[in-house]
Amino acid sequence: DGGITQSPKYLFRKEGQNVTLSCEQNLNHDAMYWYRQDPGQGLRLIYYSQIVNDFQKGDIAEGYSVSREKKESFPLTVTSAQKNPTAFYLCASSTHGTPLNEKLFFGSGTQLSVL
Amino acid sequence: AQSVTQLDSHVSVSEGTPVLLRCNYSSSYSPSLFWYVQHPNKGLQLLLKYTSAATLVKGINGFEAEFKKSETSFHLTKPSAHMSDAAEYFCVVRNQAGTALIFGKGTTLSVSS
Repeated sequence: DGGITQSPKYLFRKEGQNVTLSCEQNLNHDAMYWYRQDPGQGLRLIYYSQIVNDFQKGDIAEGYSVSREKKESFPLTVTSAQKNPTAFYLCASSTHGTPLNEKLFFGSGTQLSVL
Repeated sequence: AQSVTQLDSHVSVSEGTPVLLRCNYSSSYSPSLFWYVQHPNKGLQLLLKYTSAATLVKGINGFEAEFKKSETSFHLTKPSAHMSDAAEYFCVVRNQAGTALIFGKGTTLSVSS
């Protein structure tokens, strides 16, 4: 079955540590996105990528980094510079980068907590 | 910059009564607007979309929304709430470049019997 796979489901980070969240899709989608979900904040866009080897900052990119070396993969690294990393992270994809196909397919999310 | 404001963080209704979830948008261009729903322990699902065609948009599960340019609103309604409608609802606008979706803060809908 096609879909988006995020791993791990739960992740714990120590102070000063970088951690990487995995996102893989087998939907042959061009565009991929990372959102952060906090209670009362909704979903906020961190980074997005419309095509391989290209990505753009979203609204809250500080303290995060991404790469898009393969069409099916869009890993997110939460760096030690992100001072409030505890949140639920959602990866999404869509069939076209521009114009955006509004039907996003979402992964099941990764809950990141700080030890 | 484009944005959406969901006016209520929490709405409570009784089963069988109407639902109104309010959303105002801010945009310098003709926006594309959407409503997404997130049920507990499930992923986000597109409810309906407005893309400059008919101003009254019908979605899944009996929901509909009306685009009102004069009021810059895109409120979500349903004539009769069902227990299964209890979820988090997000009003969403596409950015001007057409490359990403901007989410509102969400409205939690509770339905009591």
